[in-house]
Amino acid sequence: QSALTQPRSVSGSPGQSVTISCTGTSSDVGGYNYVSWYQQHPGKAPKLMIYDVSKRPSGVPDRFSGSKSGNTASLTISGLQAEDEADYYCCSYAGSYTVVFGGGTDLTVL
Amino acid sequence: EVQLVESGGDLVQPGGSLRLSCAASGFTFSSYWMHWVRQAPGKGLVWVSRIHSDGTSTNYADSVKGRFTISRDNAKNTLYLQMNSLRSEDTAVYYCARGGSTWKDYWGQGTLVTVSS
Repeated sequence: QSALTQPRSVSGSPGQSVTISCTGTSSDVGGYNYVSWYQQHPGKAPKLMIYDVSKRPSGVPDRFSGSKSGNTASLTISGLQAEDEADYYCCSYAGSYTVVFGGGTDLTVL
Repeated sequence: EVQLVESGGDLVQPGGSLRLSCAASGFTFSSYWMHWVRQAPGKGLVWVSRIHSDGTSTNYADSVKGRFTISRDNAKNTLYLQMNSLRSEDTAVYYCARGGSTWKDYWGQGTLVTVSS
C-alpha cells in the first residue's frame, strides 16, 4: 500500500490552467477506474472534487476535470481562482479491498 | 443536511486503547459505505478502514490491521473505530467520511488522537 506519487507543489496565475498528476501502478491507478480527487483548505475537512476518474459531484465547478492515462491520473483546474489555493489529494482503489491516497499537492495561486 | 460528527479523540499512552464514534444525520446511514481516514499533524491523508453499508464487509490498511476494528450501528446511525495497541505513529486527526466503496463525498470535522507518554 505505497502512497500514490503527486508533485509536492504547483502554482499558477489567476485565469490560467494547472494540472496535478497522480502516478501509481497497474495495481492501483492503472488497474481500476476508481480515482477520486479531494481539495483541502487549511484546518478544514477534505472536499470531494472528482470521483471515478472524471465524474464531478453536483456543486463542483466545471473548471475542475479529471482524466487518466495508463498509471497516471490528472486533475486539471482551468480558469484558476484565488479560492482554488489549497492542498489536493488523489485517491485510488488499490486492489485487495484497500484504498490509497497520494501524498498531496500544494496549489499556490500567484 | 448531511452531518458527520466525530468524537472520542484523546491523549492516550502507547499500548493503550480508544474508541472513536461518528454520529451521522441528514441521510440514510444504512445505504452508504463509511470510511475512516487519518491525517498526522502537517502530513497527508491516509486511508484507515471502510465498512459496507450493512456492516458485513470490513477492510483495513496494513498499518492498522489486527489493531483497529471498524463497526457500525445502523439503528443508531453511528460509526465506530476501536483502536487497540496504539503507537505514536497513530497520532493524527481521524475523519469519518460517507461514500461509495472508494470515493468519499461528505466528511466530518475530525477528532484528534494523540498517542504519547
